[in-house]
Amino acid sequence: EAQVTQNPRYLITVTGKKLTVTCSQNMNHEYMSWYRQDPGLGLRQIYYSMNVEVTDKGDVPEGYKVSRKEKRNFPLILESPSPNQTSLYFCASSSSWEQYFGPGTRLTVT
Amino acid sequence: GQQVMQIPQYQHVQEGEDFTTYCNSSTTLSNIQWYKQRPGGHPVFLIQLVKSGEVKKQKRLTFQFGEAKKNSSLHITATQTTDVGTYFCAGSNAGGTSYGKLTFGQGTILTVHP
Repeated sequence: EAQVTQNPRYLITVTGKKLTVTCSQNMNHEYMSWYRQDPGLGLRQIYYSMNVEVTDKGDVPEGYKVSRKEKRNFPLILESPSPNQTSLYFCASSSSWEQYFGPGTRLTVT
Repeated sequence: GQQVMQIPQYQHVQEGEDFTTYCNSSTTLSNIQWYKQRPGGHPVFLIQLVKSGEVKKQKRLTFQFGEAKKNSSLHITATQTTDVGTYFCAGSNAGGTSYGKLTFGQGTILTVHP
């Protein structure tokens, strides 16, 4: 089954404790992207990747890092999470124009 | 930077009524996509528009891309309870068939009363 998976689905953590949210797709897509969703703000792009070792900033990259060492994986790293990074995070992948979204990761930073 | 504004933020309709949501971009777009997100779910791709003045239909849904490629609309005819959810537009300046940087509108939350 073609899908985008994210782990963990839910995470509660404390300020400053490094964390990684994994994203994996099994569709051999070149394009992958991370978004955060906050009430009233819609989806905001954090980082995107056009292919392996090619990443670029979206609209809200501050406080986040990504890497794309393999085509199927695109982890999101929060080196020092802060409460303003509490949000719902979505990973997505695409080979052309149709983006497939993962199920989301709900992150709470206390 | 590029901004995409979407209105209205909320829309409550009676089942059978029509519904329209509008997107306006601060810059000319190369393409615009529309997504639907059911409550508690993830966004699901509906369609992409690329050409100036393009109109596409999917059953009761009609999508339009403005002549200047700076605005777009989604119209649902005779809403059903299954149409409930949040509808997002997303614009890109990237050429070709892939996205690059993508900016989403704030979304319109549609409620349909039976």
